[in-house]
Amino acid sequence: DIQMTQSPSSLSASVGDRVTITCQASQDISNYLNWYQQKPGKAPKLLIYDASNLETGVPSRFSGSGSGTDFTFTISSLQPEDIATYYCQQFDHLLPITFGQGTRLEI
Amino acid sequence: HLQLQESGPGLVKPSETLSLNCTVSGGSISSSSYYWGWIRQPPGKGLEWIGNIYYSGSTYYNSSLKSRVTISVDTSKNQFSLKLSSVTAADTAVYYCARLHGVGFDYWGQGTLVTVSS
Repeated sequence: DIQMTQSPSSLSASVGDRVTITCQASQDISNYLNWYQQKPGKAPKLLIYDASNLETGVPSRFSGSGSGTDFTFTISSLQPEDIATYYCQQFDHLLPITFGQGTRLEI
Repeated sequence: HLQLQESGPGLVKPSETLSLNCTVSGGSISSSSYYWGWIRQPPGKGLEWIGNIYYSGSTYYNSSLKSRVTISVDTSKNQFSLKLSSVTAADTAVYYCARLHGVGFDYWGQGTLVTVSS
């Protein structure tokens, strides 16, 4: 199974800060990496697909990069509504689909 | 606008079978472009993929649950279902159904909490 190591597990930042979360895969997954935002009591929301593509309707302050085993998720200017837990997820067509452990973002 | 809605008992006894349905509205479950999946999240913990199904009935399961999981599809009802047998307290979680588009889940149900307790 491909393991996803996400860091940090929690993060405290201020409004306007640049925030970066990383995800490392245990083997090469090309660009088959997605990022989700989950707010308390809600279902996850897909923000970034295929490592760097912004899902329709998602603000441009969110971005993703990387390929192979190392990936980065960035919020360019943190807004109060961005408080959530963020997850990476891989699906290199090798099962199982796996998620990172999550990063809890606080202000 | 596509919507998914989970339904089923919120309380299941240990050793029994958990059964949930996911009803899809605003789109066809028979589209050749998508798989449909189940994901769960124990209280206060992360996300765990359970399995996927294609409208034709092809299934893919997480090996850690494979011996206990069955996912099925009913295209006439635009619905797919999850059965998880021999449940224990460790199966207590919010269960989500979702649409798999490419390699990501782009539409999710609101989730349903299933508690395993006698």
